[in-house]
Amino acid sequence: AQSVAQPEDQVNVAEGNPLTVKCTYSVSGNPYLFWYVQYPNRGLQFLLKYITGDNLVKGSYGFEAEFNKSQTSFHLKKPSALVSDSALYFCAAKSSSNTGKLIFGQGTTLQVKP
Amino acid sequence: ETGVTQSPTHLIKTRGQQVTLRCSSQSGHNTVSWYQQALGQGPQFIFQYYREEENGRGNFPPRFSGLQFPNYSSELNVNALELDDSALYLCASSLGFPSSYNEQFFGPGTRLTVL
Repeated sequence: AQSVAQPEDQVNVAEGNPLTVKCTYSVSGNPYLFWYVQYPNRGLQFLLKYITGDNLVKGSYGFEAEFNKSQTSFHLKKPSALVSDSALYFCAAKSSSNTGKLIFGQGTTLQVKP
Repeated sequence: ETGVTQSPTHLIKTRGQQVTLRCSSQSGHNTVSWYQQALGQGPQFIFQYYREEENGRGNFPPRFSGLQFPNYSSELNVNALELDDSALYLCASSLGFPSSYNEQFFGPGTRLTVL
């Protein structure tokens, strides 16, 4: 079965420190990879995506993600965390098949402390 | 440009009842997908509509059904509600072919509680 895993339920960082939220995937072919953020009682907000090419992709709000094909990983990073980055983050994968089904990880809560 | 909107925001039903949730796509988007997000979990794909036809379905029983209209808005219908159907239901729209790499834009969701 195809799946996306986020091994950490919660990540805690101090404001100003770098952050990493981990994601690995098991999806056939060359999937497209996405990161979304969810604030309380809100829908999901798109951050960035990997299609092909450069392994480091840049997205909204200073976030970036590093794609590693050999490790089937797509970790979300930010050089300097803000308290306002505290939210629930989801990694998702989409097989390059006929449907647009997104396969989501279980989510990682990011807590940034002042 | 108007984003994805969903109605109602919250809904309370009892077991066995039927419910209809509605979604308006972002302007120009011709693909709509529905997801179920149970508490503390990631969204699970229910089904997708492209140009008014179902184009893929997740592991959900037939009592979950949907429609897409010519203006690309969509409905999710759930019959014979069960307690486990309590969740946040998310609608997402995207532009172009479903297999493309275009990102999906999500609405705020409908919180369904089944008592």
